[in-house]
Amino acid sequence: ETGVTQSPTHLIKTRGQQVTLRCSSQSGHNTVSWYQQALGQGPQFIFQYYREEENGRGNFPPRFSGLQFPNYSSELNVNALELDDSALYLCASSPGGASPYGYTFGSGTRLTVV
Amino acid sequence: AQSVTQLDSQVPVFEEAPVELRCNYSSSVSVYLFWYVQYPNQGLQLLLKYLSGSTLVESINGFEAEFNKSQTSFHLRKPSVHISDTAEYFCAVSRSGGGADGLTFGKGTHLIIQP
Repeated sequence: ETGVTQSPTHLIKTRGQQVTLRCSSQSGHNTVSWYQQALGQGPQFIFQYYREEENGRGNFPPRFSGLQFPNYSSELNVNALELDDSALYLCASSPGGASPYGYTFGSGTRLTVV
Repeated sequence: AQSVTQLDSQVPVFEEAPVELRCNYSSSVSVYLFWYVQYPNQGLQLLLKYLSGSTLVESINGFEAEFNKSQTSFHLRKPSVHISDTAEYFCAVSRSGGGADGLTFGKGTHLIIQP
């Protein structure tokens, strides 16, 4: 098992800019989801991709978008960054679309918007 | 929609003492229940999960949790804690039977082990 890896580990951006965060899912996992974890809070579900299609979305605006590629890597894109977007962004993968398999989380990307 | 309430933001306990971290959930549908642990500057690690069957589930490192449907609770317990258990613990739920709405987490409980 290769686990879930995320890059970069830390990032500083200016308000209004765009950012792309990357994730490499665990081998064989065809489901990936992204979470935002603000300081002192639990993670909040952004969206989920299954076989390269978005199949679920939390309460996040459209400026949060994503892609999943055939090699199970994925991206989270955030446009028009706001100060409140500062958070730890976590990628999680699963071997199936259904939740009972559990999710393997990466270590996250710490995004700071100034 | 589901929601999770972790009743304690911080729980200090002495080493080798027992601990209970409380979790209550709300949902209009059947759910799966999870406990995740987060060590400083790391991602989340699955500690244990309840899907169905026996209401008592155990992890390999001595933690256990009991699903109580009538009280909508899934409290985490350990009979004797170690310094290495210091971490943030998150309770989470997801819709059972498959779903694409991810995990709903509580705000977390910081377990502080005092020597």
